[in-house]
Amino acid sequence: GAVVSQHPSWVICKSGTSVKIECRSLDFQATTMFWYRQFPKQSLMLMATSNEGSKATYEQGVEKDKFLINHASLTLSTLTVTSAHPEDSSFYICSARERPSGLSIRGQFFGPGTRLTVL
Amino acid sequence: AQSVTQLGSHVSVSEGALVLLRCNYSSSVPPYLFWYVQYPNQGLQLLLKYTTGATLVKGINGFEAEFKKSETSFHLTKPSAHMSDAAEYFCAALFNFGNEKLTFGTGTRLTIIP
Repeated sequence: GAVVSQHPSWVICKSGTSVKIECRSLDFQATTMFWYRQFPKQSLMLMATSNEGSKATYEQGVEKDKFLINHASLTLSTLTVTSAHPEDSSFYICSARERPSGLSIRGQFFGPGTRLTVL
Repeated sequence: AQSVTQLGSHVSVSEGALVLLRCNYSSSVPPYLFWYVQYPNQGLQLLLKYTTGATLVKGINGFEAEFKKSETSFHLTKPSAHMSDAAEYFCAALFNFGNEKLTFGTGTRLTIIP
């Protein structure tokens, strides 16, 4: 149980185009989803926290107009990289948390990640 | 500032040998602590966690970790390495219990030598 999927697993796009990445919780309802960015040989950096039905909360330094996050349902959150540039190339990982029951003892469940390459 | 430090970006051990991956945190209040494993092209999988109670925590695949407040550490160990343990390991901390934002270490790549 507690499976999170991401689609696509990898994508190559031209500079200036927009790319949408989907994050789905397959067997549970996720009221909160997190979007991370991982550079090679570096740590996961939290980009934003997405709560179902409300606007995402972005971390300091993350451009909310560039990284559009939508959490329209309890099982789906999307990250759209708008007007992508080569510096946006990275590994993007989402995680999902179940409906809250105090502090979620099981923590966050992570998707397999999406490798974005912008040419 | 609150942070998580993993000593050693790469660790190599022989099959059957002890695995020791180091994690230290920096904060005035002990956080909740987690170890995750990431296999190539896969998501992060929770190995074990420490929240409260017993400081020696046992996880999946034979891994365990001990929370030592005096040393601000949460090192991951496994008595006998297996080839299938080769992966990237991340230590993470939850410093703010209200928002559940995880702070990750930089990761340690574990290589198992046959």
